[in-house]
Amino acid sequence: AQSVTQPDIHITVSEGASLELRCNYSYGATPYLFWYVQSPGQGLQLLLKYFSGDTLVQGIKGFEAEFKRSQSSFNLRKPSVHWSDAAEYFCAVATYSGGYQKVTFGTGTKLQVIP
Amino acid sequence: KAGVTQTPRYLIKTRGQQVTLSCSPISGHRSVSWYQQTPGQGLQFLFEYFSETQRNKGNFPGRFSGRQFSNSRSEMNVSTLELGDSALYLCASSLGQGLNTEAFFGQGTRLTVV
Repeated sequence: AQSVTQPDIHITVSEGASLELRCNYSYGATPYLFWYVQSPGQGLQLLLKYFSGDTLVQGIKGFEAEFKRSQSSFNLRKPSVHWSDAAEYFCAVATYSGGYQKVTFGTGTKLQVIP
Repeated sequence: KAGVTQTPRYLIKTRGQQVTLSCSPISGHRSVSWYQQTPGQGLQFLFEYFSETQRNKGNFPGRFSGRQFSNSRSEMNVSTLELGDSALYLCASSLGQGLNTEAFFGQGTRLTVV
């Protein structure tokens, strides 16, 4: 069965500092990978996705993520964090089995940005 | 174009009651998925509908049910509400033509069971 692990429940960074949010997945083949962001009281917004090809994926709001097959990881990065990036971030894995799509979300990482 | 619309945004119900939540997908999207989000369990998949048929179902009791109409709008019903059903219920729509189709989420319905 597929699974997604986001080891960091809560991260605090200073505004302007770099950010890396970790995501590890467990699946027999290469899954489809996503990062979503959720602001308080809101739904989820897709930041970026990886299906195949270049392992470094660029997303919206200056985010990028790198797929590393050897480490089963898909970490999210941003070179300089803005106060508006404070939110909860979810990594997700989508696979296709038995004719059905299955999406599994990680437990999320809450990002706090301090001045 | 309009995004995914979920109604109502907030709901308070009493234990034992039943509730119906609504989701209107983006125009042209035929797949609608429902998720339950709680602080303790995170985001959990409830079920997915495509062209009025349930394609996939998560591990939730039979009290949780759904349906999809010919215009792709979907409803989710929870019967005999329990305190533990308090959660943010999110709906996502997509074209549904495979895994490389992006899912767009609504703002959710916040259900509180008292």
